[in-house]
Amino acid sequence: AQTVTQSQPEMSVQEAETVTLSCTYDTSESDYYLFWYKQPPSRQMILVIRQEAYKQQNATENRFSVNFQKAAKSFSLKISDSQLGDAAMYFCAYEKGLQGAQKLVFGQGTRLTINP
Amino acid sequence: NAGVTQTPKFQVLKTGQSMTLQCAQDMNHEYMSWYRQDPGMGLRLIHYSVGAGITDQGEVPNGYNVSRSTTEDFPLRLLSAAPSQTSVYFCATRYSGTGGGGYTFGSGTRLTVV
Repeated sequence: AQTVTQSQPEMSVQEAETVTLSCTYDTSESDYYLFWYKQPPSRQMILVIRQEAYKQQNATENRFSVNFQKAAKSFSLKISDSQLGDAAMYFCAYEKGLQGAQKLVFGQGTRLTINP
Repeated sequence: NAGVTQTPKFQVLKTGQSMTLQCAQDMNHEYMSWYRQDPGMGLRLIHYSVGAGITDQGEVPNGYNVSRSTTEDFPLRLLSAAPSQTSVYFCATRYSGTGGGGYTFGSGTRLTVV
């Protein structure tokens, strides 16, 4: 079974600084997807960034980027120029690429605090 | 276009009571699922459905029942609530097909069992 581990229950960063959230996963599959979701106090689950395992290039979305190390099974999220609105719970998630897979496996979450 | 609607948003139950959490979607997504979120454990899959009349168990199915009679609705039933079912519940939908995300989440139901 696939597992996703986030070893940092809490992180904090000064506004405008850069922070990196860690995620490791375990799978025997070769075709899969990785995601970072943001959950603000409103409870809404918001997709931040998505990475296809077959792509070597790291995904980026504005101030958000990932460091995808397939051999090490590591998928960290870097947030640059942190803003107060980035404060939230962040979840790393995994999904198989196969037809009919359609199950998200989540990590435990990292609570990010932004200090003004 | 409402997306995924979960009701109620909050609920308090007594141990042994039954209730149904509702999930409705208007995106014609074939795939619907229920997750529960507990502190320190992330979100875990309870049950899912790949289409009307088809359901299957996820990681933590015990104590929950589901059925899927229409494409739009996927209710989650607690037949005899227990304090261990205190959690936040999310419904998530997507198109069918290969992986790659595309999930739409409801806004969650916070359930407390006393």
